[in-house]
Amino acid sequence: DIQMTQSPSSLSASVGDRVTITCRASQSISSYLNWYQQKPGKAPKLLIYAASSLQSGVPSRFSGSGSGTDFTLTISSLQPEDFATYYCQQSYSTPPVTFGQGTRLEIK
Amino acid sequence: EVQLVESGGGLIQPGGSLRLSCAASGFTVSSNYMSWVRQAPGKGLEWVSVIYSGGSTYYADSVKGRFTISRDNSKNTLYLQMNSLRAEDTAVYYCARESGAGIVGLWGQGTLVTVSS
Repeated sequence: DIQMTQSPSSLSASVGDRVTITCRASQSISSYLNWYQQKPGKAPKLLIYAASSLQSGVPSRFSGSGSGTDFTLTISSLQPEDFATYYCQQSYSTPPVTFGQGTRLEIK
Repeated sequence: EVQLVESGGGLIQPGGSLRLSCAASGFTVSSNYMSWVRQAPGKGLEWVSVIYSGGSTYYADSVKGRFTISRDNSKNTLYLQMNSLRAEDTAVYYCARESGAGIVGLWGQGTLVTVSS
């Protein structure tokens, strides 16, 4: 199975900050990389698919980039509602889909 | 409205069985790839099982031989039969709809399964 590793595991930032989360795959996954946001007590929500495509309804301050093994999720200007946990997930070799361990984004 | 609603979670003793249900509305379960994903308390997301539109089923190694995914087309409902439950199966179980590319675009609200004596 393809392993996904996110960094950092947690991150403190302030409203208005630019934030970048990275995700690395254990082998090349082309652009088959998706990002999800999860708030406490809620189901995950798809933000970005195919590495850089914004899901309908997701604010444009979210963006994704990368291909092969290295990917990034960037939030250009943090808003209060963005404090959550973010997961990357590969959909190159399925099943199984595999997720990163998550990055918890906290308020500084 | 397109949505998934899970039910069937609860407290169960180790070694017991439980069946989770996921009622879909706004789309047809049998025409989609449908999955179960779980999340242990305070932990990350773990894929559990998928049933493809053609009927093929797949399982995570951690549940293979103990869990069974199925669907009832007449009820437009997805199921997860869980047998021989262990403490490590304790988690919120999410029903989800995948696109053909493994992208999980629709999630249910989750149902909590607690395995404890």
